[in-house]
Amino acid sequence: DAGITQSPRYKITETGRQVTLMCHQTWSHSYMFWYRQDLGHGLRLIYYSAAADITDKGEVPDGYVVSRSKTENFPLTLESATRSQTSVYFCASRRGTSGGAGETQYFGPGTRLLVL
Amino acid sequence: AQTVTQSQPEMSVQEAETVTLSCTYDTSENNYYLFWYKQPPSRQMILVIRQEAYKQQNATENRFSVNFQKAAKSFSLKISDSQLGDTAMYFCAFIDSGNTPLVFGKGTRLSVIA
Repeated sequence: DAGITQSPRYKITETGRQVTLMCHQTWSHSYMFWYRQDLGHGLRLIYYSAAADITDKGEVPDGYVVSRSKTENFPLTLESATRSQTSVYFCASRRGTSGGAGETQYFGPGTRLLVL
Repeated sequence: AQTVTQSQPEMSVQEAETVTLSCTYDTSENNYYLFWYKQPPSRQMILVIRQEAYKQQNATENRFSVNFQKAAKSFSLKISDSQLGDTAMYFCAFIDSGNTPLVFGKGTRLSVIA
């Protein structure tokens, strides 16, 4: 039971560079999410996806791009990294059956990104 | 839009004592779910407890229980017999009955002191 994994776990990059954070889940969950966690802000939703090829913006989408060509993968790309995007990024997934809003949402271990 | 407020940024409790973490939320929905997640220093997010709004009975999971006051839109977490391993950030979260993303509070940092 591999669950939900993220890679890399740590990343240092420079401003202006493109960075892609990977997320992979083995449960065939329909819903996947990207959050960022910053001191004083808790977890803020960046993007989410209800199924393959369906994505939607969250609270803080600017500067980020997502895709979901396969159900199990949900990569997050910073097209031109900025210092304000230094954060810890969490991927999450949920089965998302009809009426399943109360189901557990599972989180990956997080990726710590530092933009210099 | 739904909002979740945790008014206590930091709390501390002596080992073996009881502590209550507060959470309030704002919604116009009648059917929804509430959660408490724990984030220890490892940063892994772990579900602690879940409450369905249509259930009047408060959820319990071993030493963790909630006080769900629907009319007051309050959802506090009580930790009994606190242990050192309970030291963590605790996040309250809300989701309505549709398949929408969880909305999180900003968290309460709990320290259990020996």
